[in-house]
Amino acid sequence: DSGVTQTPKHLITATGQRVTLRCSPRSGDLSVYWYQQSLDQGLQFLIQYYNGEERAKGNILERFSAQQFPDLHSELNLSSLELGDSALYFCASSDTGLLGGNTIYFGEGSWLTVV
Amino acid sequence: EDKVVQSPLSLVVHEGDTVTLNCSYEVTNFRSLLWYKQEKKAPTFLFMLTSSGIEKKSGRLSSILDKKELFSILNITATQTGDSAIYLCAVEATGNQFYFGTGTSLTVIP
Repeated sequence: DSGVTQTPKHLITATGQRVTLRCSPRSGDLSVYWYQQSLDQGLQFLIQYYNGEERAKGNILERFSAQQFPDLHSELNLSSLELGDSALYFCASSDTGLLGGNTIYFGEGSWLTVV
Repeated sequence: EDKVVQSPLSLVVHEGDTVTLNCSYEVTNFRSLLWYKQEKKAPTFLFMLTSSGIEKKSGRLSSILDKKELFSILNITATQTGDSAIYLCAVEATGNQFYFGTGTSLTVIP
């Protein structure tokens, strides 16, 4: 158990709908990341938050948005869903060690199926 | 553009074989390189390397980093079917940014 909690684990929804994925980082971690992983693709970085503020943006569609709340949990909102959005969405968190490197820890992921 | 490239993309070996997975990177403001194992769920952390030439070892797995040539290798000796997974390499840059490679898919045949 990495300590990163994601809900829901599985989600089936129809095209055009909107869903929200939720993530609680490891205790004390200030950075939260969202990744998308499709069947035949590697991890695609979507967005990173640090202590409530957006820090880096990757290949995140305009239909997707995210935020990190004061209690450090994060939500990824996916709207106007298309079949191609079906994927495993990972949340990850890392600490902010000043020395050496940090380790990024992944939640178990949220399986989204758009039908 | 920052990037991490892994090779080979996939590999099929027999139990007992030794495999070497490669990871090269071009990332500004490098802080560390990490290896992960992904089975059917979340990637799990294997190693973090920050210094050149120092081998990290855990059982049959070992890894080393060459910061001059900008690459790392992950070795798995005496492979077992349980080693079958996707192995991901990631590089951390300053600002807690992580760049992942596309992974090497390893299949170990009994």
